[in-house]
Amino acid sequence: EPEVTQTPSHQVTQMGQEVILRCVPISNHLYFYWYRQILGQKVEFLVSFYNNEISEKSEIFDDQFSVERPDGSNFTLKIRSTKLEDSAMYFCASRKEVEKGYGYTFGSGTRLTVV
Amino acid sequence: AQSVTQLGSHVSVSEGALVLLRCNYSSSVPPYLFWYVQYPNQGLQLLLKYTTGATLVKGINGFEAEFKKSETSFHLTKPSAHMSDAAEYFCAVRGNTGANSKLTFGKGITLSVRP
Repeated sequence: EPEVTQTPSHQVTQMGQEVILRCVPISNHLYFYWYRQILGQKVEFLVSFYNNEISEKSEIFDDQFSVERPDGSNFTLKIRSTKLEDSAMYFCASRKEVEKGYGYTFGSGTRLTVV
Repeated sequence: AQSVTQLGSHVSVSEGALVLLRCNYSSSVPPYLFWYVQYPNQGLQLLLKYTTGATLVKGINGFEAEFKKSETSFHLTKPSAHMSDAAEYFCAVRGNTGANSKLTFGKGITLSVRP
């Protein structure tokens, strides 16, 4: 069964450093998402991406965050200057264009630890 | 706008007992509803979804859920719990308008299964 692949599975970074989280969505999917889950809390929407542009973003997704689909296969989330509170599990998800009711396919996540 | 309420954070059942995980939603448009399961150190796996049609939906691993519009509920059930069902379960909702609507998650419920 097709999968959404995320790398790395775990990343430790120092506060103030830039990080890039990488995702390879399912090849025939056209809608892409980033969510995050702070330890012990709910899964929160960050951003959705379609047709090479952001279609919706949450209040969490401030100027420190950016997304990119540089080569037609990867979908990246960049955090420019990490803060301690950015420590969380970050999930990438993708969805087919047709059939609005399709469930999202999530990756296994990247656990980001900011120290 | 959509929201999900999952009351309680932890449910414990004996192996072989009925599993009932509650989910109530709020949505300004007809909802699409989802249940996801997260096993330790893994990503989010779709258990089942309701879009349109039959209000009782069956998912993987013997789980099912019933959409009750009058009660704004989408409770997850399984007749007989298995040790392998121990995980965290998330209910999620999105509106059925707009192909790119985001998922809104509840805070999740941890299911423990006692031998």
